[in-house]
Amino acid sequence: AQSVTQLDSQVPVFEEAPVELRCNYSSSVSVYLFWYVQYPNQGLQLLLKYLSGSTLVESINGFEAEFNKSQTSFHLRKPSVHISDTAEYFCAVSAPEGSARQLTFGSGTQLTVLP
Amino acid sequence: GAGVSQSPSNKVTEKGKDVELRCDPISGHTALYWYRQRLGQGLEFLIYFQGNSAPDKSGLPSDRFSAERTGESVSTLTIQRTQQEDSAVYLCASSWGGGAETQYFGPGTRLLVL
Repeated sequence: AQSVTQLDSQVPVFEEAPVELRCNYSSSVSVYLFWYVQYPNQGLQLLLKYLSGSTLVESINGFEAEFNKSQTSFHLRKPSVHISDTAEYFCAVSAPEGSARQLTFGSGTQLTVLP
Repeated sequence: GAGVSQSPSNKVTEKGKDVELRCDPISGHTALYWYRQRLGQGLEFLIYFQGNSAPDKSGLPSDRFSAERTGESVSTLTIQRTQQEDSAVYLCASSWGGGAETQYFGPGTRLLVL
């Protein structure tokens, strides 16, 4: 079984400041890692994912996340945030092997970008 | 093309009544998932359908919950004898397959049990 921990439930940050949203996971098998974003009054959308290969993955809107196997982490970062980045961010894992294909989600981090 | 759609968008019901939630996945997606999101919490997996294989029901919280899927199309999630703790947003997602494939989520059905 897998579990995901997002320690920060709320992260307020000023516009153009850097931000890091933390995600740690626990699993007895190798996993795929995902960040989903939920903008106000919208559905969940995939932001980025790590499957294999380079441990640094990037999204089209400037976010990046780095898979750290030794620390079992997949923190999400952006060097300069915009007001439009205000949303709830969910880290998730899935197991590539066996029948457990569902996503296991963290409890989410509400990112609020302040002017 | 069209995304995942769910109906109704909102449902208010009385404790003890049955409710049925519907999900229309993206055409061609063989995998379909139901999740539940309680207020202030992350998403909890409920059930997973993959093609014609037996569904993975390991996330269903009680025998009051059941789901069906017709082939690779519409799915319905039924909650019998609803309880107040069933109040949540019920999300449906579909994908080309499991594991690494991106799951595309619908807008959800917000269920309130009075």
